[in-house]
Amino acid sequence: GAVVSQHPSWVICKSGTSVKIECRSLDFQATTMFWYRQFPKQSLMLMATSNEGSKATYEQGVEKDKFLINHASLTLSTLTVTSAHPEDSSFYICSADDRAKGYTFGSGTRLTVV
Amino acid sequence: AQSVTQPDIHITVSEGASLELRCNYSYGATPYLFWYVQSPGQGLQLLLKYFSGDTLVQGIKGFEAEFKRSQSSFNLRKPSVHWSDAAEYFCAVGASNTDKLIFGTGTRLQVFP
Repeated sequence: GAVVSQHPSWVICKSGTSVKIECRSLDFQATTMFWYRQFPKQSLMLMATSNEGSKATYEQGVEKDKFLINHASLTLSTLTVTSAHPEDSSFYICSADDRAKGYTFGSGTRLTVV
Repeated sequence: AQSVTQPDIHITVSEGASLELRCNYSYGATPYLFWYVQSPGQGLQLLLKYFSGDTLVQGIKGFEAEFKRSQSSFNLRKPSVHWSDAAEYFCAVGASNTDKLIFGTGTRLQVFP
């Protein structure tokens, strides 16, 4: 079945630094990937839709200059949290594949900003 | 706009008991419906999905769900729960004109021996 690899699984960074999270589709090509944010004991909130070779589409209220998304190839999308602050601490999850098969999710990245 | 409601935040059942997790959706046309399970600190695993056809859908790990248009519901069921089923369960809805998924708030399942 489809596999999505997300790296790193956890990261701690200092306030003001930037962090990059990778999402890779291992055995299929993904023209579209999705980035979600999940607060403790809460649901997933879609942040943006990542489109290969074009700009990402951000959901309302998501700062595109803070959460930079790059989808340069059919198997890799990256999310960069720029100038991270403690309020950016969260669990970030990516997904790929397509609706017909049921979206495949990465294992998530726990970001802690200190 | 579509939305998903999972009325039960937390459910506790005994191992071996039956389970039903509720999910109600709001969407004008026939939705695409999904159930996912999430273990702590992990990503989501697809349990089952419904697009069309037979309204009773079989999934992995012994789960099934029934689409009831008249009730706008897509409840998840399992006849006999195992301790390993303890996790967070999310219902999600997708629309025909977009790839986006809208998630419910989740139901945390606790299983007692």
